[in-house]
Amino acid sequence: DQQVKQNSPSLSVQEGRISILNCDYTNSMFDYFLWYKKYPAEGPTFLISISSIKDKNEDGRFTVFLNKSAKHLSLHIVPSQPGDSAVYFCAAVEYGNKLVFGAGTILRVKS
Amino acid sequence: NAGVTQTPKFQVLKTGQSMTLQCAQDMNHEYMSWYRQDPGMGLRLIHYSVGAGITDQGEVPNGYNVSRSTTEDFPLRLLSAAPSQTSVYFCASSQGTGPYSNQPQHFGDGTRLSIL
Repeated sequence: DQQVKQNSPSLSVQEGRISILNCDYTNSMFDYFLWYKKYPAEGPTFLISISSIKDKNEDGRFTVFLNKSAKHLSLHIVPSQPGDSAVYFCAAVEYGNKLVFGAGTILRVKS
Repeated sequence: NAGVTQTPKFQVLKTGQSMTLQCAQDMNHEYMSWYRQDPGMGLRLIHYSVGAGITDQGEVPNGYNVSRSTTEDFPLRLLSAAPSQTSVYFCASSQGTGPYSNQPQHFGDGTRLSIL
């Protein structure tokens, strides 16, 4: 059973608008989360992370929100740009620095 | 800075053949790992290593072998390839070795492997 779930396989937004990517997890022992971005034929690239002691972390256009009680996190991209079009993976860190990934969400930003 | 380098980028094998996927990093990272990515399933951990001479199994280790003789290299061996091992394989490394180091892992560009 998947411990990290990204229930939206794809998302399409207009350039300049907000993109919101969602992620749910089932294991309450997870206390650190990361978002990775992946372009075709490339490896995942680290984007932003959040610890469970915080409910928000911001880095430029990217903000991650964590709701521990709901076991839910989201990545907000504002404003969205065509270069943001990629696959976004949510990942939780398990004991031993092991990553547990969601299935990914394909983001398309239309110009 | 090369980062994490994986070779080859593509490979086609026949069932039963063996091969080694190479991974090298030049960042002096102690932690290295191998993942496979299959459609609709995200990335799953195969094996990982917290330093030279130390390896451990991840979520899907069966059919794969690893060793870590140097800090820089972490090869992944397929002992007898099966069609179920058709996948894209990613190697990653990070600074942290502690169980909760939470250091972001840096990924290579992957090896696309097809088993016929």
